[in-house]
Amino acid sequence: AQTVTQSQPEMSVQEAETVTLSCTYDTSENNYYLFWYKQPPSRQMILVIRQEAYKQQNATENRFSVNFQKAAKSFSLKISDSQLGDTAMYFCAFALTQGGSEKLVFGKGTKLTVNP
Amino acid sequence: DAGITQSPRHKVTETGTPVTLRCHQTENHRYMYWYRQDPGHGLRLIHYSYGVKDTDKGEVSDGYSVSRSKTEDFLLTLESATSSQTSVYFCAISAVGEKLFFGSGTQLSVL
Repeated sequence: AQTVTQSQPEMSVQEAETVTLSCTYDTSENNYYLFWYKQPPSRQMILVIRQEAYKQQNATENRFSVNFQKAAKSFSLKISDSQLGDTAMYFCAFALTQGGSEKLVFGKGTKLTVNP
Repeated sequence: DAGITQSPRHKVTETGTPVTLRCHQTENHRYMYWYRQDPGHGLRLIHYSYGVKDTDKGEVSDGYSVSRSKTEDFLLTLESATSSQTSVYFCAISAVGEKLFFGSGTQLSVL
């Protein structure tokens, strides 16, 4: 079974600074997908970034980028120029695609607070 | 936002009563999922569906059943609610090979 570990229950950062959230996972599969989801106080689950394991290039989405180390089974999220609106729970997730469906396995989350 | 609606948004019920949560989509997506979110656990998959009348169990399916009689509706039933089922329940949908879209969640309290 696949597992996802987020070792930082809480983090804080000053506005405009950079912060990195850690995620490690365990799988024996070679092809899979990794995700970072953001959950603000509104409770909505928002996909931040998606990485396909067969792609060596790290995914980026504006101020969000990942450091994907397949051999180390590590998938960290870097948020640059942090903004107050980045305050949220962040979940790392893993999925094997089976027949087109993606059943996600989530980590326990990291609560990020951006301070003014 | 993807057309996905969960109802009710909040529910308080008593131990031993049956409860049904509804997920409705307007996207005609094939896959639908039910997750529960608890502090310290992240989100965990309860059941999912890969088509009308086609469902399968997830990681934490004990005490839950599901039904999907139409493409647009996926129902989650707690036959006899227990306090351990107090949680936030999320429905999600996806097309083949596409990312998941989540609903806004249902806060269920079992007293």
